[in-house]
Amino acid sequence: LAKTTQPISMDSYEGQEVNITCSHNNIATNDYITWYQQFPSQGPRFIIQGYKTKVTNEVASLFIPADRKSSTLSLPRVSLSDTAVYYCLVGDQTGANNLFFGTGTRLTVIP
Amino acid sequence: KAGVTQTPRYLIKTRGQQVTLSCSPISGHRSVSWYQQTPGQGLQFLFEYFSETQRNKGNFPGRFSGRQFSNSRSEMNVSTLELGDSALYLCASSLEIAYSNEQFFGPGTRLTVL
Repeated sequence: LAKTTQPISMDSYEGQEVNITCSHNNIATNDYITWYQQFPSQGPRFIIQGYKTKVTNEVASLFIPADRKSSTLSLPRVSLSDTAVYYCLVGDQTGANNLFFGTGTRLTVIP
Repeated sequence: KAGVTQTPRYLIKTRGQQVTLSCSPISGHRSVSWYQQTPGQGLQFLFEYFSETQRNKGNFPGRFSGRQFSNSRSEMNVSTLELGDSALYLCASSLEIAYSNEQFFGPGTRLTVL
């Protein structure tokens, strides 16, 4: 069962880089790691997905160490509009609790 | 391309009733997943349908059921509603199976059980 553990909340000042780490000790060989962002009263929105090493897109980077037991979402130069809940998702194709989102990390960006 | 749509957006029911929620995925997407979101439990996976077949199911009682039609549209049914079923129900679609593909979420249906 690939469950995830994230910090409940984080605060950051505008313009700083934010790193949110997710632990997934029981990640399976075929699992992907995906991060979503959710604003109040909206459905989650895809940010980035990776399997191993580093993935970068126009909004974030995802760092995955060789053992894949954790991953770090990096948001460069955050702004107030990045205030949201961030979910780390590990796709478990074998277990009953597929697509386990967990409780997420509430990021508050301070002016 | 139109996004994921869910109907109705808001719903009020009483205990013991049943409810059916509808989800229309993005055109061409074959997978539809359903989630329940509550303040206490967070975002919990209900089930995933792919090509009209339930592919995976989360840890919810049998009162929660769903189906997918040939056009990929999906419905979720909750029978014998309980107060604890009050939640935001989110539907997400993806091109292929959800665990390895980006999911696109709808705005959700806010269900209140009185």
